[in-house]
Amino acid sequence: KAGVTQTPRYLIKTRGQQVTLSCSPISGHRSVSWYQQTPGQGLQFLFEYFSETQRNKGNFPGRFSGRQFSNSRSEMNVSTLELGDSALYLCASSLVTQEGGSPLHFGNGTRLTVT
Amino acid sequence: GESVGLHLPTLSVQEGDNSIINCAYSNSASDYFIWYKQESGKGPQFIIDIRSNMDKRQGQRVTVLLNKTVKHLSLQIAATQPGDSAVYFCAENTADTGRRALTFGSGTRLQVQP
Repeated sequence: KAGVTQTPRYLIKTRGQQVTLSCSPISGHRSVSWYQQTPGQGLQFLFEYFSETQRNKGNFPGRFSGRQFSNSRSEMNVSTLELGDSALYLCASSLVTQEGGSPLHFGNGTRLTVT
Repeated sequence: GESVGLHLPTLSVQEGDNSIINCAYSNSASDYFIWYKQESGKGPQFIIDIRSNMDKRQGQRVTVLLNKTVKHLSLQIAATQPGDSAVYFCAENTADTGRRALTFGSGTRLQVQP
């Protein structure tokens, strides 16, 4: 079974631009979560989607948004990029929502660099 | 590869020895815990999980111990191999943001000396 796929693998953007990252979950998984990973802050929860609905959201500004499609694929968008948004963005999928307590299976991430 | 953490605590062990990685979690209401392994350039990889109604769970070469009294989790790796070199994260399923989500620790770097 194919794992979680994230595209693109690397991305370089300029301050003020916006970016869209894509995630395809493991087949059959309906929950998709997004995390931001930086050396200083570690892994931080962004949001979780299940059945095309946002189930939970972390403490990030409204510039960070996401959506999920009917095939469970998900995208996240960051608008008005800031230098501090440079990070590894990780997508994870699971069979049920995080409320149910099941393992998250991560992709290899998208490395975003903002210059 | 990407830098996961610049100043992570590091555990250095000899190949063949047993490794113990410790983690203190924050929320006494957390009821589900996971250990992840992250290699350079990759996303976190699931190792083993444990629910709060258990004290110990074993997998292949790994054992997780949960002490709810002191909010402590440990990962034991038997006969550590060079391929075990990575950053290890513990995660707790906690409801900091209203609904439950996995909250990750800061990680421990395991270096296996051949």
